[in-house]
Amino acid sequence: GEDVEQSLFLSVREGDSSVINCTYTDSSSTYLYWYKQEPGAGLQLLTYIFSNMDMKQDQRLTVLLNKKDKHLSLRIADTQTGDSAIYFCAESPGYSTLTFGKGTMLLVSP
Amino acid sequence: NAGVTQTPKFRVLKTGQSMTLLCAQDMNHEYMYWYRQDPGMGLRLIHYSVGEGTTAKGEVPDGYNVSRLKKQNFLLGLESAAPSQTSVYFCASSYVGGAQETQYFGPGTRLLVL
Repeated sequence: GEDVEQSLFLSVREGDSSVINCTYTDSSSTYLYWYKQEPGAGLQLLTYIFSNMDMKQDQRLTVLLNKKDKHLSLRIADTQTGDSAIYFCAESPGYSTLTFGKGTMLLVSP
Repeated sequence: NAGVTQTPKFRVLKTGQSMTLLCAQDMNHEYMYWYRQDPGMGLRLIHYSVGEGTTAKGEVPDGYNVSRLKKQNFLLGLESAAPSQTSVYFCASSYVGGAQETQYFGPGTRLLVL
């Protein structure tokens, strides 16, 4: 079955790096995603990684994928207060739907 | 482009009442989705549609019905609302669905069932 697990909460200081971790179970997932949800808003795609990649970097964001351990992480460099939000990991096993984790709330303090 | 819009933004219902949530997208997307978001539960897929006139059940379809009469609209109906349906409902759409397609989300509808 499909299941995506994330830690529920992370607190960092402004300027530090944040690392949000995710584990998934479906080894057939060809893409894995990170979505961001700001308060009172819908989800917005941050980045995604293809399953044959180990790492993807996009400005302050670095995604690491360990396919053997089914572990995905999102690193945000130089975290800002505007990065405070809920971050969702999601997998797509090749069908038309996504399976989301429960979300990690990131709180950035000045 | 307005993207994905949802109507209404907020609604209070009494148990047993019915209502319809409307989702509209102006991106000519084929696939549309309805999710519910509950504290500590993440997003769970209710129903989805892979094209005009088609619908399919997601993870938690019971108590809901959907219709996709027009490509740009996806309606979610609650025939007899229950307090367990108190939630935030999100609509999303994507161009063709599948593993590599980004889903675009609406701003959500907050529903309280008393």
